[in-house]
Amino acid sequence: DIQMTQSPSSLSASVGDRVTITCRTSQSISSYLNWYQHKPGKAPKLLIYAASSLQSGVPSRFSGSGSGTDFTLTISSLQPEDFATYYCQQSYINPTFGQGTKVEIK
Amino acid sequence: QVQLQESGPGLVKPSETLSLTCTVSGGSISSDSWGWIRQPPGKGLEWIGYIHYSGSTNYNPSLKSRVTISEDTFKKHFSLKLSSVTAADTAVYYCARDPGIAVAGTSYGAFDIWGQGTMVTVSS
Repeated sequence: DIQMTQSPSSLSASVGDRVTITCRTSQSISSYLNWYQHKPGKAPKLLIYAASSLQSGVPSRFSGSGSGTDFTLTISSLQPEDFATYYCQQSYINPTFGQGTKVEIK
Repeated sequence: QVQLQESGPGLVKPSETLSLTCTVSGGSISSDSWGWIRQPPGKGLEWIGYIHYSGSTNYNPSLKSRVTISEDTFKKHFSLKLSSVTAADTAVYYCARDPGIAVAGTSYGAFDIWGQGTMVTVSS
């Protein structure tokens, strides 16, 4: 299995802050990396696919970068609706998810 | 647009088989891949497996011996069976679509549409 290490596991931030979440994989996965936003009681939402492609309808303040084993999700200016848990997921082989990063209000 | 809805018992006894169905509306399961993902209470997401529209399946190695995913294209649903369940299988179960998104000629897997999820508790 490909192991996913996501960091930090949680963070506190204010509206307007720039937020960065990282994901590292145990082996190279090229660009087979996705990011999801998950709010309690709701279905996870795909934000970024193929490491850096923005899913249709997702605000442009979300961006993804990286390839190989190191990836980043950036929220350029945190909005109230962005407080949620974020997961990375590799789709290179047998999908696996990171452990999640909970973004909380400071 | 395509919507997914999970259904099935919310309570299953230990050692029995968990059975869930995902009904697809606004589209067809005659294309794409269709998957199951779960989230135990207080934990992260875990991929269970998926079925390709061709009928081929791929399962999480850690669950493979207990999982069966099947589809009914005519009835527009696909199903999950997880046998010999224990308390560790208590979770919210989600179904999701993986259309294989093309970027510069390469297909990338990603779950772009999800059901709302259904809570399944394993308890006697």
